[in-house]
Amino acid sequence: DTGVSQDPRHKITKRGQNVTFRCDPISEHNRLYWYRQTLGQGPEFLTYFQNEAQLEKSRLLSDRFSAERPKGSFSTLEIQRTEQGDSAMYLCASSLLGGQLEETQYFGPGTRLLVL
Amino acid sequence: AQSVAQPEDQVNVAEGNPLTVKCTYSVSGNPYLFWYVQYPNRGLQCLLKYITGDNLVKGSYGCEAEFNKSQTSFHLKKPSALVSDSALYFCAVRVLHYGQNFVFGPGTRLSVLP
Repeated sequence: DTGVSQDPRHKITKRGQNVTFRCDPISEHNRLYWYRQTLGQGPEFLTYFQNEAQLEKSRLLSDRFSAERPKGSFSTLEIQRTEQGDSAMYLCASSLLGGQLEETQYFGPGTRLLVL
Repeated sequence: AQSVAQPEDQVNVAEGNPLTVKCTYSVSGNPYLFWYVQYPNRGLQCLLKYITGDNLVKGSYGCEAEFNKSQTSFHLKKPSALVSDSALYFCAVRVLHYGQNFVFGPGTRLSVLP
């Protein structure tokens, strides 16, 4: 399967700990997005990369959150000093921007975070 | 600000009956509209998208949606529901010049009863 993969699928941590999630996009895709989804809500945009450049960040992305895509392939999302309010599903999506602006995003299965 | 509303949290329909999942949006500018479906333990999948052109868009699994600019709606429809259509459905909008992100609605849970 050559879809978007995320690791881990589930993470339980204690408040105050740091966590890091990984996303591997579809190999030829140059755009990578991170979203957060809480129960009963649709995904909320956090940030996106075009190749290795982080081009946009939502105001939801506090200074405890940092994302990287060092070689323009996989990406990591780190949350420092986790809080219970960080409990959510973290979704990664990738797309190919090839001239058309209306590219379709392909989503991974998500990482479910529970902060105790 | 861009926003998407899905007025129904839950839609129940009998197998074989037509289904409609409603979506309305509020944007400044011309929208790109999408429908995504989410099955348990799987990533969101794009069913269809409206970019420009014909207001009636056909997508995967026999789904279609009609873009209505005057009513700012993009309702998802299927003529005959299957039990396997039961899932969480999200409408999303994207407007250029307001960032590259998608704005998703809160989702509608569709249950198709055998």
